[in-house]
Amino acid sequence: QSALTQPASVSGSPGQSITISCTGTSSDVGGYDYVSWYQQHPGKAPKLMIFDVNNRPSGVSARFSGSKSGSTASLTISGLQAEDEATYYCSSYASSSTLFGGGTKLTVL
Amino acid sequence: QLQLQESGPGLVKPSETLSLTCTVSGGSISSSTYYWGWIRQPPGKGLEWIGSIYYSGGTYYNPSLKSRVTISVDTSKNQLSLKLISVTAADTAVYYCARHRARGLNMMLVYFDAWGQGTLVTVSS
Repeated sequence: QSALTQPASVSGSPGQSITISCTGTSSDVGGYDYVSWYQQHPGKAPKLMIFDVNNRPSGVSARFSGSKSGSTASLTISGLQAEDEATYYCSSYASSSTLFGGGTKLTVL
Repeated sequence: QLQLQESGPGLVKPSETLSLTCTVSGGSISSSTYYWGWIRQPPGKGLEWIGSIYYSGGTYYNPSLKSRVTISVDTSKNQLSLKLISVTAADTAVYYCARHRARGLNMMLVYFDAWGQGTLVTVSS
């Protein structure tokens, strides 16, 4: 099983929207609606931002949204804020296993 | 409020066994809808799932680590434990424990919704 594929970095200006992709296969992302996204600030534990492709836990801003098409999932952050600067990881169920993406560092310019 | 706290040695010698414990407070480890997992993160790198355990003892492991990993649970202490044998420098990482949501009759493990703060384990002589 290989890790899910994410771009190494993305950037955007405050107020803009950005999208982070997460590409897998039909055995993971494409096969189940169990994609989740995590935000990690330096030195901190990851925080769940999206689960089951497009659901937000209580307390997570509505500026964060998720979607999926085929074997590629996406995380969109609208109205970028300085506090959104962090590394984002996708994850997927994969037949009795859990896969993570390599992480995408978001820079808010 | 659910809290998870990892504990254990911060330094392990090569070829020896890494042992960590995660203490869960503010909730019961004997929940029917959750597994409890270990995830690690080498310095400057991404996340890697190690494995997860149900309160009754059922386990799932990352195939790449399965031959070296044992995860166990002690419901009386509300704790889970990780043992990783024959460690090398490549096992140097921050180790996290987390609550792993399960879904469906076949208990598919779908997301981690609560994490410990993590503990750095360095493998070095």
